[in-house]
Amino acid sequence: GENVEQHPSTLSVQEGDSAVIKCTYSDSASNYFPWYKQELGKGPQLIIDIRSNVGEKKDQRIAVTLNKTAKHFSLHITETQPEDSAVYFCAASMGAGGFKTIFGAGTRLFVKA
Amino acid sequence: KAGVTQTPRYLIKTRGQQVTLSCSPISGHRSVSWYQQTPGQGLQFLFEYFSETQRNKGNFPGRFSGRQFSNSRSEMNVSTLELGDSALYLCASSWSTSGGGNEQFFGPGTRLTVL
Repeated sequence: GENVEQHPSTLSVQEGDSAVIKCTYSDSASNYFPWYKQELGKGPQLIIDIRSNVGEKKDQRIAVTLNKTAKHFSLHITETQPEDSAVYFCAASMGAGGFKTIFGAGTRLFVKA
Repeated sequence: KAGVTQTPRYLIKTRGQQVTLSCSPISGHRSVSWYQQTPGQGLQFLFEYFSETQRNKGNFPGRFSGRQFSNSRSEMNVSTLELGDSALYLCASSWSTSGGGNEQFFGPGTRLTVL
């Protein structure tokens, strides 16, 4: 069945360093790849997304890259800050016939001040 | 614009009981999806409703059901609760019309504990 693998499960960086989270998806029909940030006691919040016709997208300190051939996509956070500490989820969505999103297992990011 | 709201925020039930959770989407959004989040299984898709019709469904037993009303508000019901149903239940809304590829906005979730 459809699957999204996410690595690493835990990531600890020093404030100001960069953080990279990688995901791989299995279904070639996936056409939309969002990234979510979830803080304790809250629902996931969309931070950036990319569609299958785009290779890279950037929004301030956050960037996402997509390699359709290899079926993997990555989240890059530069100049990390303590408030970036949270759990990050990647997801792959297949649009045909409805709305079904498969999530990765999550990466717990710790940014040390 | 108000975000997605879910009620109640916390719920404690015992095995065998049933429960109904409610979700109010962002105004104008017609698609509502439900997810179950547990430490062991992560975020798992339950089902999606659009214009009062279930448009897609995940791999959950028939004890999990839902519906959507004409104002796009949605409810999900779990019957004959089991201990393993303890989880955070998240609702997400989207303006999606043709389905797929549109950003979802999540509510804060309902934390269900089954004793």
